[in-house]
Amino acid sequence: QVQLVQSGAEVKKPGASVKVSCKASGYTFTANAIHWVRQAPGQRLEWMGWINPGNGNAKYSQRFQDRVTITRDTSASTAYMELSSLKFEDTAVYYCARSLAAAGDSWGQGTLVTVSS
Amino acid sequence: EVVLTQSPAALSLSPGEGATLSCRASQSVSSYLAWYQQKPGQAPRLLIYDASNRATGIPARFSGSGSGTDFTLTISSLEPEDFAVYYCQQRNNWITFGQGTRLEIK
Repeated sequence: QVQLVQSGAEVKKPGASVKVSCKASGYTFTANAIHWVRQAPGQRLEWMGWINPGNGNAKYSQRFQDRVTITRDTSASTAYMELSSLKFEDTAVYYCARSLAAAGDSWGQGTLVTVSS
Repeated sequence: EVVLTQSPAALSLSPGEGATLSCRASQSVSSYLAWYQQKPGQAPRLLIYDASNRATGIPARFSGSGSGTDFTLTISSLEPEDFAVYYCQQRNNWITFGQGTRLEIK
C-alpha cells in the first residue's frame, strides 16, 4: 500500500533552517507529484509548493518563494522540503502529500516544526 | 490568489441528521474543487475531488456538487465518526484552502 513516512519533530531557533524528509513506498516514486502543505496551530491548511519527482522541477507558492526549496532523491524515493530564515510563525505541522486533491491522494503523518528561542 | 470562503464556520448537529457545507471561491475554479476531512492530530483525508468525485473508500453518504464559484458538500445522514473539521481546496489557480467548517455533535 502507498505510504509516505516523514522525518521526526524538529526544534529550531529563529533564523535557522529546517529540512523535512518524506519517504515514499508502495508505488512508483517518479510517477506522481509530491506537494508540501503546512498547518500552524489552529489555522487552515497552507500549500507551500510541489515537485515533479520524475524531472525534479519544483514550483512554489509566492508566499514562500524566497525561503523554501523542495528537492528529491529518486534512489531513495524521498522528497525533501527545506525552509530557511525560520520565524516564530513558522511553527506548524508540515505534511507531504502525493497526488494532492486527485485520485490516489495520500498524505504523510506530518512533522511538527517548532521555532523557539 | 483564489480565496475560498467556507460557511458556516461551525455547525452543530446530531447523528442521523443531514449536513450541508458550503464553499465559495473569489473567482471561478471550474470544477477543480476538493473537500477534505480532518480529525484532531491526523492528516487530512480526501473525500471529494473535482467537485463531485468520491475518493476511494469514501462512503456514499458524502457527496459534492457545484462548479465555477459555488460548491457544496452534503453528508446525507451523519455518523458519529463524521464529526470533524472540513476544508475545501482549489487547484485551478495554484492551490489554496478554505478556513474550514467545524462539524460538532449537538
